[in-house]
Amino acid sequence: DAGVIQSPRHEVTEMGQEVTLRCKPISGHNSLFWYRQTMMRGLELLIYFNNNVPIDDSGMPEDRFSAKMPNASFSTLKIQPSEPRDSAVYFCASRPGQGDNSPLHFGNGTRLTVT
Amino acid sequence: GDSVTQMEGPVTLSEEAFLTINCTYTATGYPSLFWYVQYPGEGLQLLLKATKADDKGSNKGFEATYRKETTSFHLEKGSVQVSDSAVYFCAALGAGSYQLTFGKGTKLSVIP
Repeated sequence: DAGVIQSPRHEVTEMGQEVTLRCKPISGHNSLFWYRQTMMRGLELLIYFNNNVPIDDSGMPEDRFSAKMPNASFSTLKIQPSEPRDSAVYFCASRPGQGDNSPLHFGNGTRLTVT
Repeated sequence: GDSVTQMEGPVTLSEEAFLTINCTYTATGYPSLFWYVQYPGEGLQLLLKATKADDKGSNKGFEATYRKETTSFHLEKGSVQVSDSAVYFCAALGAGSYQLTFGKGTKLSVIP
């Protein structure tokens, strides 16, 4: 099992540019989560998908952020336009189901720097 | 809503010292409890878990016991190694919930 795969590992971009982060969850996992990690705020849940459907996007900070899950094996998080305060590490995580007590499996994250 | 409180870091210990990282939670019902570890440059990895009262989770010499009476899930290790240097997160998953609630993390540094 390759685990949750995220790309790119690092992204450096200028303010105003569009940024797209990608995630491939573990095969067979029906729940997918996007988190943001910063020193100031710790881990923040941005959005949660179950069976490719967004269930809770209340953590998405602004309309500049959007996420999609076109199929069970792929999800994207897009920031357009990006701002310096978006600099953080973005994690994707998946787990087998909804409502069970199975643990989350995290990818290695994308470190985003917006200059 | 659910909340998890863990001891503030950073924590610095000498190799072979005893480790305790305190964690308490508030949740409705009986949540499942987890400890995750994050090594530099990596995502969070599950270290151990417990799903009901008095359960003890253990892995790699680390242990934590689900204490319902004190709503706690403290992480312990009898003899830490330099390779244990990482950030440790306590987390709770409410019964029937999809969302893990994480503590703020505790950075552990172990010096030779």
